[in-house]
Amino acid sequence: EPEVTQTPSHQVTQMGQEVILRCVPISNHLYFYWYRQILGQKVEFLVSFYNNEISEKSEIFDDQFSVERPDGSNFTLKIRSTKLEDSAMYFCASSEGVPVYEQYFGPGTRLTVT
Amino acid sequence: AQSVAQPEDQVNVAEGNPLTVKCTYSVSGNPYLFWYVQYPNRGLQFLLKYITGDNLVKGSYGFEAEFNKSQTSFHLKKPSALVSDSALYFCAVRGMDSNYQLIWGAGTKLIIKP
Repeated sequence: EPEVTQTPSHQVTQMGQEVILRCVPISNHLYFYWYRQILGQKVEFLVSFYNNEISEKSEIFDDQFSVERPDGSNFTLKIRSTKLEDSAMYFCASSEGVPVYEQYFGPGTRLTVT
Repeated sequence: AQSVAQPEDQVNVAEGNPLTVKCTYSVSGNPYLFWYVQYPNRGLQFLLKYITGDNLVKGSYGFEAEFNKSQTSFHLKKPSALVSDSALYFCAVRGMDSNYQLIWGAGTKLIIKP
């Protein structure tokens, strides 16, 4: 069964450093998403991406965040200058369509900012 | 503001007994409702969804959920629990003002005891 994959599974970085989280969505899916979950809190939407552009973003997704689909398979989330409060589990997801289609999630990347 | 509530942090059920995991929502317009399950060190796995039509929807692993518009609820149920059902369960909703983002409940830990 096709699945969303994410790398790395765990990333430790120092405050102020740039990090890139990588995802490979399901191959025939057209819509891509990033969510995050800070420990002990709810899953929060960050951004959705379709046709090589951002289709929707939340207030969390400020100028320090960016997303890219550099080739036909990868989907990346970049955090330019990490802060302690960026420590969270980051989930990538993809879907065939919107709005009634379910989103399929990767296993997540745990980001720890020290 | 749109929101999802899962009033129970944890639900304990004996194996073989029926289980219910509760979810209520507050969104504008008609909601699209989803249940996901998370096993340790795994991503969020889609279980089932309600879009329209029959209020009782069936999903993976013998789970079902009942949409109740008057009570704004979407409770997850299973007639006979298995120990392997022990996991973290999340309810999510997409309101009419977004095609993309899911709004999540806090999750309910389901523990099935032999």
